[in-house]
Amino acid sequence: EADIYQTPRYLVIGTGKKITLECSQTMGHDKMYWYQQDPGMELHLIHYSYGVNSTEKGDLSSESTVSRIRTEHFPLTLESARPSHTSQYLCASTLGVGELFFGEGSRLTVL
Amino acid sequence: AQSVSQHNHHVILSEAASLELGCNYSYGGTVNLFWYVQYPGQHLQLLLKYFSGDPLVKGIKGFEAEFIKSKFSFNLRKPSVQWSDTAEYFCAVIKGAGGTSYGKLTFGQGTILTVHP
Repeated sequence: EADIYQTPRYLVIGTGKKITLECSQTMGHDKMYWYQQDPGMELHLIHYSYGVNSTEKGDLSSESTVSRIRTEHFPLTLESARPSHTSQYLCASTLGVGELFFGEGSRLTVL
Repeated sequence: AQSVSQHNHHVILSEAASLELGCNYSYGGTVNLFWYVQYPGQHLQLLLKYFSGDPLVKGIKGFEAEFIKSKFSFNLRKPSVQWSDTAEYFCAVIKGAGGTSYGKLTFGQGTILTVHP
């Protein structure tokens, strides 16, 4: 069983609010990722990190930002949420030998 | 840009029917290939993976996939599905050798499988 946790699982907020989606893993993985998933669509990589103090933007442009101050923690922040940010956000990590371990996701709704 | 295409958005089968879900990718070089599954209310988890060697790969729960390089395909199969196989299935590709050490996964859009008892 993978040990990667995302909070909150569900979040409904108003436009303009600042939100942080938390992601933590206890497996000591160096590589961590944030994917955005909309119903019926492929997962899109929005951020990734190959280790502490390393963050890169993914293939899909996103207004969110991430930080990687500790190996186990990879939070995603939206400074000012908009309805277009409504989506499911999936966090994942890997040692780099093939398998990504995913969290259960954070479903964000911006009104 | 590399892309992954899954042919069917929604497949509906009865129990004991055979399953084949199509997956094609567009990258011409060395690739590593994966199938992930997401059961209702659960997180994505790895079903099987191909790095090299025997192109027929066996995964968990009786699933298998065949890598056909000439067709850029990695189709998922199961001879006899069960109600518990109801889930969404994602094909994913990573360029180059070495798995996720050197790159990032590109996912297909997913196929929802509904199995009726």
